Amino acid sequence: AQSVAQPEDQVNVAEGNPLTVKCTYSVSGNPYLFWYVQYPNRGLQFLLKYITGDNLVKGSYGFEAEFNKSQTSFHLKKPSALVSDSALYFCAVKGNEKLTFGTGTRLTIIP
Amino acid sequence: KAGVTQTPRYLIKTRGQQVTLSCSPISGHRSVSWYQQTPGQGLQFLFEYFSETQRNKGNFPGRFSGRQFSNSRSEMNVSTLELGDSALYLCASSLVGLAGLGTGELFFGEGSRLTVL
Repeated sequence: AQSVAQPEDQVNVAEGNPLTVKCTYSVSGNPYLFWYVQYPNRGLQFLLKYITGDNLVKGSYGFEAEFNKSQTSFHLKKPSALVSDSALYFCAVKGNEKLTFGTGTRLTIIP
Repeated sequence: KAGVTQTPRYLIKTRGQQVTLSCSPISGHRSVSWYQQTPGQGLQFLFEYFSETQRNKGNFPGRFSGRQFSNSRSEMNVSTLELGDSALYLCASSLVGLAGLGTGELFFGEGSRLTVL
């Protein structure tokens, strides 16, 4: 069975500092990996995805994610955090035909 | 182009009642998938419909059901509501469906927040 783990429920980062939101996964075969962001009282918005190719994927709002096959990880990163990045972030993996989401990480950027 | 529209946005029901939630996908999208979001469980997959056919179903009891119409609009129904059904229900539409997510992506609505008293 496929699964996604986001080991941190909450991440706090000072504005201007780099941020990392962690994600590890388990899936049979080659993974399709995604990051979504959810702002308060809103649905999820697509940030980026890894399908194949370069291990560093660039996405919306200056975010990027690094695919590491040996560590089965897909961590979300941004070089310099903004207060407006504060939101709930979900990692997801697709295997077979289902899409499995992690439990989410609440990112708070402190001014 | 209009996004995914979910109605109602908020609703309150009592235990034992039933509820129907509606989702209008982006024009041209034939796939609609439904998710339950709760603080402790994150997003749990309910089911996916593609061109009026249920393609996949998550691990939810039979009280949770859905359907899709010829115009791709979808409804989900929860019967005999329980307190634990309180959640944000999200629907997502896509052009290619979950099976083709390598070339497409999901577009989510803002959700229907159900409170069961």
